This record gives sequence, structure tokens and C-alpha cells, in this order.
Amino acid sequence: GQNIDQPTEMTATEGAIVQINCTYQTSGFNGLFWYQQHAGEAPTFLSYNVLDGLEEKGRFSSFLSRSKGYSYLLLKELQMKDSASYLCAVRGRDDKIIFGKGTRLHILP
Amino acid sequence: DTEVTQTPKHLVMGMTNKKSLKCEQHMGHRAMYWYKQKAKKPPELMFVYSYEKLSINESVPSRFSPECPNSSLLNLHLHALQPEDSALYLCASSQGPNIQYFGAGTRLSVL
Repeated sequence: GQNIDQPTEMTATEGAIVQINCTYQTSGFNGLFWYQQHAGEAPTFLSYNVLDGLEEKGRFSSFLSRSKGYSYLLLKELQMKDSASYLCAVRGRDDKIIFGKGTRLHILP
Repeated sequence: DTEVTQTPKHLVMGMTNKKSLKCEQHMGHRAMYWYKQKAKKPPELMFVYSYEKLSINESVPSRFSPECPNSSLLNLHLHALQPEDSALYLCASSQGPNIQYFGAGTRLSVL
């Protein structure tokens, strides 16, 4: 079966660092994505990992370990606008992308 | 330009109505997708078009009928929907096995 697990909710403080974990079991692997989604809006692309290691893009970094079926999204210098849902998604075979249930991140002042 | 445009933004329809959702992209992407998203849930894949041909249908009821008139356009025709079909419908496009760009979505209410 196909399964993507991530925590349902997390809370962090403005200015701090937070790590959102994602584990997956899928049929085939052609890349892992992280998306940010504010309530009532469309998902926006944050990062893409297809090889093991860390991808850094400004305040956001994403890590992948294919052998462990594991990824994390690291958000630094948190801002209030980072309050959103963060979706881990895996592309398996045939252009299919499967989304995890998302992690709702609450930022406290 | 990384824009995927969806119209309308909001749609209210009765269970006997026929309506269509439209999606347009001009990035030359070969793959286009329809997703359904209920509140506080992740997007669920409905259909995938690759090179204007339907490649994936995730066992979606026939009251949803996709159409890809050309490489830039994707439609979703709706007929005899049920109230539980009320959701945010998202269109996305991608060039190969890479980033999907999402439109802003159509928020559909079925009365």
C-alpha cells in the first residue's frame, strides 16, 4: 500500500526553528515535494528532493533519505506568515503524486 | 510565468445543473491534473492528462467528466453532482516528473 505520514499539528515561536518530518511507503519513488498551503488557498511549491541529501532555499531546507523513506522540512527564523499547512507529497509511478495529510503549523508571537 | 488560471473562483450549483470548471496554463507543460480537496484534508488526485490524453482516472464517478481540448486547456464537466461533492477543485500542471504548479482553485458548493 501507499502511505505518507506527517504530524497533524505543530506549534513554534516566531524567530525559532521548526522541523516537520515525513515518512513514506510508496510504489516506486520519483521525487518528494513539500508544499505550503494557507487556509482556503492553493498549495504553493516549496522544495523538491529526488536524491539523498539537503536542499537549501533561503529560510527553508528539505532533507531526503530514500533508504529510510524519510524527509524533513526545516523552517528557520519563523515568521507569523509561516502559519500554514505543510504538505509532504511523493511522486510514485505514472505521474501520480500522493499527498500526506499535511501538518498544520501554528506560530506564536 | 508560472501561472495556472482557474475559472470560476466560486461556483454554486444545484444537483440537476450542468456546469464546467476551466483551467489554463501557458508554460508548455505536458501534464495537467485535477484534484479535489475537502476542508482540512490533503488534495486527492482525480485525473491526469499527459500529452492531451487521459492517463490516470482515480475511479472518479462518471458525474465528473474531464476534457483536454488542447495542451493549454483542461476542463472538468460536472453533471448531477451530490452535496458531498462540495469541495475546492484544484488544477495543476507540470513538465515531466517535476514540480506541479497549482491554480488558485474553484470552490464548489452543491445545493
